[in-house]
Amino acid sequence: QKEVEQNSGPLSVPEGAIASLNCTYSDRGSQSFFWYRQYSGKSPELIMSIYSNGDKEDGRFTAQLNKASQYVSLLIRDSQPSDSATYLCAVIKDSSYKLIFGSGTRLLVRP
Amino acid sequence: DTEVTQTPKHLVMGMTNKKSLKCEQHMGHRAMYWYKQKAKKPPELMFVYSYEKLSINESVPSRFSPECPNSSLLNLHLHALQPEDSALYLCASSPLGAGQETQYFGPGTRLLVL
Repeated sequence: QKEVEQNSGPLSVPEGAIASLNCTYSDRGSQSFFWYRQYSGKSPELIMSIYSNGDKEDGRFTAQLNKASQYVSLLIRDSQPSDSATYLCAVIKDSSYKLIFGSGTRLLVRP
Repeated sequence: DTEVTQTPKHLVMGMTNKKSLKCEQHMGHRAMYWYKQKAKKPPELMFVYSYEKLSINESVPSRFSPECPNSSLLNLHLHALQPEDSALYLCASSPLGAGQETQYFGPGTRLLVL
């Protein structure tokens, strides 16, 4: 079992729709959770970090964490073609500072 | 300011060359990282420096040699690389402390080994 799992996609949504990206992790000791966006040929860009159960909103983005289910998600409201990218879920477990990435979900927003 | 800079942007080297990748941050972060990313794969951690000391080496071959001259700079010295080492090399930095581990990535150096 991979430590961080994501559906590779592509997830295709029409412009203006809500895109829902999901991630599960295997280690219950994981404490810190991150979503990065990566455009083709570019470096990962931080979208959201979340540490506590529940929702965290920033503009069009909402991260959701459920530690009991070992599940973290990212919702993108009013999706735009410019949101088309690969979204990487990443987890830090205990205090290692070691960021463990999922394989990424490719999002395609259709105009 | 959450900027991490990396030079060069692109590098082509032969298998007998010696080259260095450079990374710099001025955010006062005390942890710095090197990652390697192959096409269509997530970044893979190579090294972690905390307080300028090497704290994690992910069993990276000795042809990759990291160096942290001070709290703002991180180098990766390359020697006798193989074609399979061609990849995007990413530097990142983060504060240290629980709940402050957010890593910020530089733009990367795209390396091609011939």
